[in-house]
Amino acid sequence: DVKVTQSSRYLVKRTGEKVFLECVQDMDHENMFWYRQDPGLGLRLIYFSYDVKMKEKGDIPEGYSVSREKKERFSLILESASTNQTSMYLCASSLDPNYGYTFGSGTRLTVV
Amino acid sequence: GNSVTQMEGPVTLSEEAFLTINCTYTATGYPSLFWYVQYPGEGLQLLLKATKADDKGSNKGFEATYRKETTSFHLEKGSVQVSDSAVYFCALSPFTSAGNKLTFGGGTRVLVKP
Repeated sequence: DVKVTQSSRYLVKRTGEKVFLECVQDMDHENMFWYRQDPGLGLRLIYFSYDVKMKEKGDIPEGYSVSREKKERFSLILESASTNQTSMYLCASSLDPNYGYTFGSGTRLTVV
Repeated sequence: GNSVTQMEGPVTLSEEAFLTINCTYTATGYPSLFWYVQYPGEGLQLLLKATKADDKGSNKGFEATYRKETTSFHLEKGSVQVSDSAVYFCALSPFTSAGNKLTFGGGTRVLVKP
């Protein structure tokens, strides 16, 4: 069964920490995405990547960066975590968007 | 630009009731359309999809028909169960490969009571 795996289900970090959220897919997909999900705001795209070492800003990239050194792995980095980055983070991948995305189970991040 | 509008929830139903969640879209060309479901504490799962006008997607008793004339993709289920309690997202993918991104609606929370 194809999978997108996010390394942590729950994380608690302190304000100012550098935080890494990891996402790995085993489907050889070229496209990978990071979203955050907040009540009343739906899904908001942070960054996405079409290929290794390629990245594009989404709708809310401020305060985040990404890394894609290998095709299967797409990391989201919070350079200096803040309380307003407390959220559910969802990773997804796709071969062709006309066939939809495969999502990971999500990481619920709390910044205190 | 592309956009997806779906009815706001929460939608509260009794078991075995009929469920409809409305979804309309704005897009150029001929997008593919999707419904995703998110169970509590989980990521999104693809529920069904349709890639061209008049296509009907179906899965787990849910159905949705791609209506180009009304730019709609309403989700229906004839008899819901408590286990259908979840958040449902309508989404579209533009026909062109440029951007390669899905556009999501805001989600509709459904609560089914026994």
